[in-house]
Order: sequence, then structure tokens, then C-alpha cells
Amino acid sequence: EDKVVQSPLSLVVHEGDTVTLNCSYEVTNFRSLLWYKQEKKAPTFLFMLTSSGIEKKSGRLSSILDKKELFSILNITATQTGDSAVYLCAVPNTNAGKSTFGDGTTLTVKP
Amino acid sequence: DSGVTQTPKHLITATGQRVTLRCSPRSGDLSVYWYQQSLDQGLQFLIQYYNGEERAKGNILERFSAQQFPDLHSELNLSSLELGDSALYFCASTLAGTGYNEQFFGPGTRLTVL
Repeated sequence: EDKVVQSPLSLVVHEGDTVTLNCSYEVTNFRSLLWYKQEKKAPTFLFMLTSSGIEKKSGRLSSILDKKELFSILNITATQTGDSAVYLCAVPNTNAGKSTFGDGTTLTVKP
Repeated sequence: DSGVTQTPKHLITATGQRVTLRCSPRSGDLSVYWYQQSLDQGLQFLIQYYNGEERAKGNILERFSAQQFPDLHSELNLSSLELGDSALYFCASTLAGTGYNEQFFGPGTRLTVL
């Protein structure tokens, strides 16, 4: 059965800190890994990763995939209180739309 | 705003009852996915429809069923409700049926079973 594990489960930092969120996976026929941000409402898309070693970047957020070691990391630099959210990692199964989500990392950024 | 709409926003009902949750995908999207998010669990994939046909099934209980209509909106029916069914139910949509790319999530329906 497909498995996605995120760590840590919870993280509390102060504004300006840099954080690294981890996602490891075990899936058959890997195609892509996606990161979402969930702020007390619907998840919103951050990144989709398909190739190892290619960093995706959007402002202070960046993500990279390692297909050999089966993990991805999401980095957030110079964190702000608005970054407080649950960050979800998802890996779609080759069986059409079945995606396996990790339990998420709850990030709290204190002023 | 993702363009995906879900109604109702909140639903409070009693055990043993039946409810219907509704989802309208983004304009042009053919695929609809349903997820359940409980307090102590992450997003659990329930079922996917693509252009009216069931495409993939997750851990959906037999008491739950779904369908997608010709206008592409979808309904999730939950029957013989139990306390443990209390959760946020999200639907998401994509253009294609493969699910490899980003999914656009609706605002969710919060179901409370008393």
C-alpha cells in the first residue's frame, strides 16, 4: 500500500527563522509529488515535483525531490506569521486519481 | 478562490440519517475527487469521477456513494451516519483524469453528526 510520511508533525518557530519540512514516500510507479498549504480551509497548491534534483522556487518557498532516497523537502526562509498553516505532501497513484496524502506538518510562526 | 464550489458549508445532523453533499468543479474540469478530513487524520481519498464515470476508488465506506452528473457536478451521499463520520469533506477538480497534477480544492463541507 502507498505510504507518505511527513515530519515533523508540528513545528513552532519565530518570524525570520528558516524551516525545513520533510516528506518521504513509498509508492509504486512514482510520477509526481505535490505540496499543498492548508490554512483552516481548502488546501492550495504550492509545488509539483517530478524530477530529482531540480529545485522549484516561489518567493521564500522552495522544494526539491530526491527520487533515489524517496523524499522531498519544503524549505521556507525568513518565515512570517502568514506562513502558519498545515503543509501537506501528496503522491498520486498511477491508478488514476487516487492520491495518498501525508498527515501534514503544522507550522506555527510566532511574531 | 479555486473556482470549485461546495454546498452546504456546514451540516449538522443526527446518527442514522442520510445527507447529500454537492460539488461543482471548475469550469472546464472533467474530473472530480472527494476527500474526507477528520480531526485526527489527514486527507483521505474517497472516490474520483471523470466525465461521469467512476475512475478510482479509495477507502470509501459502503454506506457512502457518489455520482457525477452530465453537467459534471457531483454529489456525495452519506447514509446511516455515525458519530465517526463527522469530518470536513472536500471535493477537488482537475481537467484530466490522471490526477498527477495539481488539484483545485473547494472550500469543504463540515459535517457534524450528533
